[in-house]
Amino acid sequence: SQQGEEDPQALSIQEGENATMNCSYKTSINNLQWYRQNSGRGLVHLILIRSNEREKHSGRLRVTLDTSKKSSSLLITASRAADTASYFCATETGTYKYIFGTGTRLKVLA
Amino acid sequence: GAVVSQHPSRVICKSGTSVKIECRSLDFQATTMFWYRQFPKQSLMLMATSNEGSKATYEQGVEKDKFLINHASLTLSTLTVTSAHPEDSSFYICSAGQGTGANVLTFGAGSRLTVL
Repeated sequence: SQQGEEDPQALSIQEGENATMNCSYKTSINNLQWYRQNSGRGLVHLILIRSNEREKHSGRLRVTLDTSKKSSSLLITASRAADTASYFCATETGTYKYIFGTGTRLKVLA
Repeated sequence: GAVVSQHPSRVICKSGTSVKIECRSLDFQATTMFWYRQFPKQSLMLMATSNEGSKATYEQGVEKDKFLINHASLTLSTLTVTSAHPEDSSFYICSAGQGTGANVLTFGAGSRLTVL
């Protein structure tokens, strides 16, 4: 399977703490994206990092990409209860064609 | 921003019946849409790529006769689960490229299918 792996599978933290999720993938990529999914809903795009970029920020989100290790990380700083969701990395293997990671279920406790 | 509407959000059907799920891009044209299947607490598995005006491209292991895809216009793709069985019960999600060159996918809200 080409599917990426994410760890941890589940993460529970207190509000205000930082949450870090990691993603490893198997193939060469054009870019890598992170998506968020609230329970029973569709996915929402969070951030895209291109293969020639190493780090990107968006608000409380920080994404890193290491193409030599085929890995990426998503850091959510100062987490809030509303950040509770599943987070997926997705690697583009063709135009708009993405393979999704196994996901990290984040629970932020108030 | 780009919006993808998916309907119905929930459907319950009897075993042996067929169910159609619609995916519409509301404010942009999508020559390509994607259909995924998601089991509880698992990731999205790409089922097929829906191409406007041509046949869908199915991923390995996905039965094209079981999951019929039609992409008749630039804003509508449909997935029909034919002769549904309980093992077809799942969460089905569609997505479309926004077409802005950023290669970002916009997702529908998903359709939960329960086959009795």
